[in-house]
Amino acid sequence: ETGVTQTPRHLVMGMTNKKSLKCEQHLGHNAMYWYKQSAKKPLELMFVYNFKEQTENNSVPSRFSPECPNSSHLFLHLHTLQPEDSALYLCASSQVGQSKLYFGPGTRLTVT
Amino acid sequence: ELKVEQNPLFLSMQEGKNYTIYCNYSTTSDRLYWYRQDPGKSLESLFVLLSNGAVKQEGRLMASLDTKARLSTLHITAAVHDLSATYFCAVGYSGAGSYQLTFGKGTKLSVIP
Repeated sequence: ETGVTQTPRHLVMGMTNKKSLKCEQHLGHNAMYWYKQSAKKPLELMFVYNFKEQTENNSVPSRFSPECPNSSHLFLHLHTLQPEDSALYLCASSQVGQSKLYFGPGTRLTVT
Repeated sequence: ELKVEQNPLFLSMQEGKNYTIYCNYSTTSDRLYWYRQDPGKSLESLFVLLSNGAVKQEGRLMASLDTKARLSTLHITAAVHDLSATYFCAVGYSGAGSYQLTFGKGTKLSVIP
C-alpha cells in the first residue's frame, strides 16, 4: 500500500450504532488530520494530531472521538450520530510544520 | 477568522475554450494551494504558491498569486474533457499548535464537447 489509505470506503449506520473509521499513512509523516466534506460546504477541519498528540479540535461534537495510537494510524470513532453527519470523511497526513497535505480516498458515511 | 471564497462554484465550458477560476481570501497567508478532486476520489495537490507574483504551470493549467490583492487564479487554456473535476483552493495559516489549511467551497468544472 502506498500513500494514505482509508477503510471502509462506504459506511451506512443507524443513529444508535457505534462504528469506527480507520486511516493509515505510508509516507513517514508525523501529522494526521480528519476533514469533513459535506455537500455545498467547504472542507471542514475536524482534528489534528502532531506526533500522536491532538493539537486541534475544531469544536467537533463529542459523538466524534478521534484516536491516534501512532504516527501512522488514525481512527475516528462514531456513536449516536445524526443524519446531518452524513458526509465524506477525509483523512490526510503531512510532516509537522509543513502545510502540504496528502489525502486519503475518504469514507462516504450515511447516517439513517 | 480566515475566509476563502471561490468563484464560480460551477463552470461548464466547451472544449478548446479558456477560462479562469478565482480564489479570494480574507487575511494574510504565506502560501496557497490548488487541489483537484475527481468524483468519488480524494484530493490531489496541483500547485503550491509561496510568494507574491508566483506563477506555476502544468499542462493546460496555470496558477498565480497576488498576495496584495489576496487573490489567486487558476487559468485553464484550451480545455479538454479530462480536466472535468472539482478544483479547490486552500490557504495556509498557523493555527494553535499546528499549521492548517482553510479550503474554498470548490469549483465544479465540466468540459463539454
